[in-house]
This record gives sequence, structure tokens and C-alpha cells, in this order.
Amino acid sequence: SQKIEQNSEALNIQEGKTATLTCNYTNYSPAYLQWYRQDPGRGPVFLLLIRENEKEKRKERLKVTFDTTLKQSLFHITASQPADSATYLCALDKAHSGAGSYQLTFGKGTKLSVIP
Amino acid sequence: KAGVTQTPRYLIKTRGQQVTLSCSPISGHRSVSWYQQTPGQGLQFLFEYFSETQRNKGNFPGRFSGRQFSNSRSEMNVSTLELGDSALYLCASSTDSNYGYTFGSGTRLTVV
Repeated sequence: SQKIEQNSEALNIQEGKTATLTCNYTNYSPAYLQWYRQDPGRGPVFLLLIRENEKEKRKERLKVTFDTTLKQSLFHITASQPADSATYLCALDKAHSGAGSYQLTFGKGTKLSVIP
Repeated sequence: KAGVTQTPRYLIKTRGQQVTLSCSPISGHRSVSWYQQTPGQGLQFLFEYFSETQRNKGNFPGRFSGRQFSNSRSEMNVSTLELGDSALYLCASSTDSNYGYTFGSGTRLTVV
């Protein structure tokens, strides 16, 4: 069966350091891999999308890598700040007719705490 | 531009009752999907609508249903509520699967 795992339930990191979160998947052929941020009591907020034929994507202090051979994505936040503290969710969108299927499968998330 | 609006924000219902939740997508977004989020199972896909047609359905019992109107607004209905239906129900809209999804703040449903 399809499985998505985010390696840590929680990650504590010192302010200013780089936070690295991992997402692994099995039995899946994703078109896109997406990362979301979720704060308590709120809906997820879209951060980055990376396609199966892309290796890396950047946006400001965020960087995502996607290795379809290893079936793994790494999500990096450089120069982390206390305001980055949140739960980060990895989500896969299955390939369908050359695009996504509009049906996301989410990992359970990693709760990141950035300590001042 | 306005985000995805979900109403109500909170709801308390009794076992056996039914409930209807509403979602107004971002203007111009024709795809609307629904997710259930619980501490144990995380975020799970319920269904997705596009131009008033259900295109995808997740692995939930038939008590969970939805619909989409011609203005892209969507509703989901849960009949014969069970305690296990207590969850945060999230709606997301998208213009294209290439661009990620915009989620609403959710409806927190508590079944007592």
C-alpha cells in the first residue's frame, strides 16, 4: 500500500541554524511533491511544489530537493527563526494524464520548534 | 484577494444527527477538495469536485457526501454522525494541480 513517512514527529533547532526535514514514500508514482506549513487550529499553508523531473526548488530561505530514485524529499529552512516554529507537512499528488490527480496524500507532519 | 472561506468555524452535534459544512473557494478556482484531519490519522482526502462533478473520492463511508454548485461553492454532508467523526474538516481550492492548494481555516466538528 502507499505510504508517506516524515522521519521525525518533532524537531528542535537553535535559532539561526538550518532545519532539515525528511519525507520518504513507497509504492507511489507522484507527479508533484508539495510542502505545507500548518499552525495550531489553522489550515495548511502551501509553501513549495516540486515536480518529478525537478531536483531542487528554492524560495527565499526555503529549499526542497526531490530524489525519485531514493523516493525521498528533503525540506530545508536556512537561518531559522522562532517564527518558523510550526508543523510541516509533506504531500504527494499522484500522476494522472501528465499532471496531478487533485488528490493529495499527506504525511503525518514534523513539528518544528526553533529555540531562541 | 479573499481566501478560502469555511463556515461554520465550530460545530457541536449529537451522535446520530447530520451536519452540512460549507466552503467558498478562491474566485476563479474550480477545483474544490475536502479533507478530514484527526490527531491519529492526520489529513485524509475525502473527495474532490470540479465543475460540479465529483472527480475523486477517498476511502470514507457513504455517510460522507458532497456537492459543488455552479459558482464553485461546495458543501459536504455527514449523516448519522458517530463520535469518531469529530475532526477538523478542511476545504482546499486550486486552479491547477501545478500550483498547490489553498486551504481554508477549517470547521472543527465535535460529536458528543
